Amino acid sequence: EPEVTQTPSHQVTQMGQEVILRCVPISNHLYFYWYRQILGQKVEFLVSFYNNEISEKSEIFDDQFSVERPDGSNFTLKIRSTKLEDSAMYFCASGADSGNTIYFGEGSWLTVV
Amino acid sequence: ILNVEQSPQSLHVQEGDSTNFTCSFPSSNFYALHWYRWETAKSPEALFVMTLNGDEKKKGRISATLNTKEGYSYLYIKGSQPEDSATYLCASNDYKLSFGAGTTVTVRA
Repeated sequence: EPEVTQTPSHQVTQMGQEVILRCVPISNHLYFYWYRQILGQKVEFLVSFYNNEISEKSEIFDDQFSVERPDGSNFTLKIRSTKLEDSAMYFCASGADSGNTIYFGEGSWLTVV
Repeated sequence: ILNVEQSPQSLHVQEGDSTNFTCSFPSSNFYALHWYRWETAKSPEALFVMTLNGDEKKKGRISATLNTKEGYSYLYIKGSQPEDSATYLCASNDYKLSFGAGTTVTVRA
């Protein structure tokens, strides 16, 4: 069964460093998302991406964050200068359309020290 | 971002017992309600997508109902088994998912 894959599964980084989290969505999907969950808190929406551009972003998704679909298969989330409060599980998701089931990857656990 | 609430936060169920829990969401401008099952160290697994008032969906021993007029959905687990232990997330969809905090179910053998 097709699935969303994410790498790395876990990354530890120094505060101020740049981090790139990678995702391979399901191949025929057109809508892509990043969510995150800070330990003990709700899963939060970060950004949605469609037709090679951001369709919506939350307040969390400030200038330190960017997304890219560089080669038609990968979908990346870049955090330019990490802060301690960026420590969270980051989930990539994809969907065939905006209204139906969205499929999640297993997450990338980011620890900023 | 929509305000989605789930209750209870956690519950313990004896194996073989049935249980249910609630998701409430804003009823105005409703589009769709999603239920996910999330086991530790795995990706959230899609259970149901519900759109119509009065919708009932079933997957094995798990079922869900939807009331869009009053803004709530119930998830039911019939004859709970240890493998049902997980966190159950609901999310309201207005072209992005707004999640509740989840209900963590622990089934005791």
